[in-house]
Amino acid sequence: QVQLQESGPGLVKPSETLSLTCTVSGASINIWHWGWIRQSPGKELEWIGNIYDSGKTNFNPSLKSRASISVDKSKNQFSLKLSSVTAADTAVYYCASLRFLGWFDPWGQGTLVTVSS
Amino acid sequence: DIQLTQSPSSLSVSVGDRVTITCQATQDISKYLNWYQQKPGRAPKLLIYDASNLETGVPSRFSGSGSGTNFIFTISSLQPEDLGTYYCQQYDDLPTFTFGPGTKVDLK
Repeated sequence: QVQLQESGPGLVKPSETLSLTCTVSGASINIWHWGWIRQSPGKELEWIGNIYDSGKTNFNPSLKSRASISVDKSKNQFSLKLSSVTAADTAVYYCASLRFLGWFDPWGQGTLVTVSS
Repeated sequence: DIQLTQSPSSLSVSVGDRVTITCQATQDISKYLNWYQQKPGRAPKLLIYDASNLETGVPSRFSGSGSGTNFIFTISSLQPEDLGTYYCQQYDDLPTFTFGPGTKVDLK
């Protein structure tokens, strides 16, 4: 059974870089595809980006190249970095497995990141 | 970019009611439409993939249909544990993914 768990700082200052890690258990990080999705308080889900088993990444164009995703095979983890954050980046951030290149399942429990000075 | 709209945005129902939610895409997305359930304070859970395929372990009272631009999600007989927000998500426009705005289902 695949399980995911997000971790990282819950508070980030404006203009700094948000960094989150997703630890995967029950599956090899090498052979699956992975994604990040966020949800601002009371709002809808917003896809951030994916990293594929090839190492290729894709991102939501609305993030204007602020996002990056990488994999640490030795730790079976993948990570999200979002630069130059503002209050608009305050959200619950979820990591998820991208199955068959089409749907996200399962998801981590999510972690709230607040951008504030 | 493909946009998704859902209707209604919210609905109040009774246990045992039939619930129908629609998701409309701004262009043809074939069958590439999925449905998720999100309970308050919890992560979304996949219910239906590729418009009409029930994810393993999901109760058969949930179903989906449609293709092209119009999709329907149905709960045949609402149970108390079904309360929450339901989202559609498309993946025809790869490599980008889009979620709908959600439909909140609560009790009358």
